[in-house]
Amino acid sequence: KNQVEQSPQSLIILEGKNCTLQCNYTVSPFSNLRWYKQDTGRGPVSLTIMTFSENTKSNGRYTATLDADTKQSSLHITASQLSDSASYICVVPSGAGSYQLTFGKGTKLSVIP
Amino acid sequence: DADVTQTPRNRITKTGKRIMLECSQTKGHDRMYWYRQDPGLGLRLIYYSFDVKDINKGEISDGYSVSRQAQAKFSLSLESAIPNQTALYFCATSDLTSGSGDEQFFGPGTRLTVL
Repeated sequence: KNQVEQSPQSLIILEGKNCTLQCNYTVSPFSNLRWYKQDTGRGPVSLTIMTFSENTKSNGRYTATLDADTKQSSLHITASQLSDSASYICVVPSGAGSYQLTFGKGTKLSVIP
Repeated sequence: DADVTQTPRNRITKTGKRIMLECSQTKGHDRMYWYRQDPGLGLRLIYYSFDVKDINKGEISDGYSVSRQAQAKFSLSLESAIPNQTALYFCATSDLTSGSGDEQFFGPGTRLTVL
């Protein structure tokens, strides 16, 4: 069964600090992995998409890594800001079509002053 | 989010009532989706449509129906709402031919409460 597991479930950090969120997946065949940010009461917004051949990809203060061999990905947030408070969802397309997505349950990040 | 709009944003209804949630998009995408999100669970696919004449059931379609009125509009109906359909509902769009490679873009969501 295709699964996407995220850890930790929730995280509280001080403003300005760094943090790393983890994603393990058991989806086959693998084509890409996506990280979404979901603010409370809003729809998910894509942060980055990583293909099989990419190991690291940055989007501002967000850096995603992918290890296709161990089927792990991480999202590192540098110099956190209050606006980073959100749920971060790891998503992996599964099945024969790219539209079939397996969603992780998300990591709820709270950045406090 | 502005490219994908959902109405209403919040709705409280009673058991047995018929409810329609609407989604409109200005992205020009062919593919549209309906998901529900429950606390502690990942998003789950209810229905999806690749064009006006193509509608498919997703993982959890029981108790729901959809209508693709036009390329830009995709509605989700609950024929007879029940309390366990209380959830956050999201519409999404994608397009294989766009530069984003079938990346899904989500609307702002509709919070539905069934009493």
